[in-house]
Amino acid sequence: DAKTTQPPSMDCAEGRAANLPCNHSTISGNEYVYWYRQIHSQGPQYIIHGLKNNETNEMASLIITEDRKSSTLILPHATLRDTAVYYCIVSKGYNYGQNFVFGPGTRLSVLP
Amino acid sequence: GAVVSQHPSWVICKSGTSVKIECRSLDFQATTMFWYRQFPKQSLMLMATSNEGSKATYEQGVEKDKFLINHASLTLSTLTVTSAHPEDSSFYICSAWDRRGSYEQYFGPGTRLTVT
Repeated sequence: DAKTTQPPSMDCAEGRAANLPCNHSTISGNEYVYWYRQIHSQGPQYIIHGLKNNETNEMASLIITEDRKSSTLILPHATLRDTAVYYCIVSKGYNYGQNFVFGPGTRLSVLP
Repeated sequence: GAVVSQHPSWVICKSGTSVKIECRSLDFQATTMFWYRQFPKQSLMLMATSNEGSKATYEQGVEKDKFLINHASLTLSTLTVTSAHPEDSSFYICSAWDRRGSYEQYFGPGTRLTVT
């Protein structure tokens, strides 16, 4: 079973920030939080990952709470092309013998 | 990011035949690749982990004699669906683990298999 819970769906207006929450209350100290997204009929696309600190890249920002029990993926200026299913995954990474377990994710719809 | 390709992108085959799907890491060596299956409106389910030069590790409930995996080189893993049946129709996705210091997996574009 996935170690994360996400809302099944969210809407966001084009141009506004999309804030996607993820709960991972049983996360262990050496597990990372990964975010991927899957646009219809394509393979998942890596977005960002983090351990403790907040992270930012050209696609998004990841905010992890101090107790690491939840996180938020922020798409700062959502576009129609950001409509996708977003998956939050907790894992040590295969380097430590742990595979990815995908939950149902959050279906984000960016509205014009 | 790293690039992973799959071939073919879609395939239709008749029931009882076998079909091979290729997964290639284009710009890095992948000692480990993963095969997932995704049914309509469902999430990805890991089928097996493929390690270069050794036998694949299959998840519980996945028939290893039906889904043959070969990882003969550091850039290529293949999944062969043997004696395919309509219930094997699905979206098959591979990913490759880049061990050069990052911990993320890079996914291929997927292969849509339809068995008639």
